[in-house]
Amino acid sequence: QQPVQSPQAVILREGEDAVINCSSSKALYSVHWYRQKHGEAPVFLMILLKGGEQKGHDKISASFNEKKQQSSLYLTASQLSYSGTYFCGTEILLQGAQKLVFGQGTRLTINP
Amino acid sequence: DTGVSQDPRHKITKRGQNVTFRCDPISEHNRLYWYRQTLGQGPEFLTYFQNEAQLEKSRLLSDRFSAERPKGSFSTLEIQRTEQGDSAMYLCASSQRFRTGDGYTFGSGTRLTVV
Repeated sequence: QQPVQSPQAVILREGEDAVINCSSSKALYSVHWYRQKHGEAPVFLMILLKGGEQKGHDKISASFNEKKQQSSLYLTASQLSYSGTYFCGTEILLQGAQKLVFGQGTRLTINP
Repeated sequence: DTGVSQDPRHKITKRGQNVTFRCDPISEHNRLYWYRQTLGQGPEFLTYFQNEAQLEKSRLLSDRFSAERPKGSFSTLEIQRTEQGDSAMYLCASSQRFRTGDGYTFGSGTRLTVV
């Protein structure tokens, strides 16, 4: 029931765009996105509560396709500070709502 | 509020010893979670409390693991008879209801090394 993230790793130059995908085999209540820098705890980025919902702040946005049980995180005009590992966390319908099952992570490296 | 606090930050123990970790959540959050994370992996769910009630415990968790949250405030996670496979980062998180639009706030974690 662990969601699958793709790609596993991305290397970009500063200013380039990236898309990280998260796919679940189970129906979902919500999808969360977190960023974790090396040696630190994961930090909450955003939550998507409804199918078709899109959110964003600064140059980071996300969408949630409830029918396909998929979410995507979009990073545009990437900055050096965006480097880290991104995790999606899925709240699975009918299997213990209010708790998250995390993907394996996508490591994003931004080079100057 | 200073966020979620975990203590200790690092713990080295010999195989077979018992260890206990503490987590102090954000005071307004009534939900508290324990996760385990190994290198290169996402956090793995261990257990979850709403106030003082333990609502769910991972089936992957052996009987050597126990958690408490007396009075719905801080929580402790105890591992008895530690094994080398228990070496990991143990993360605590707290939250309000997800429908408020907020997710987890994680603590800095306790890194356990079993030698």
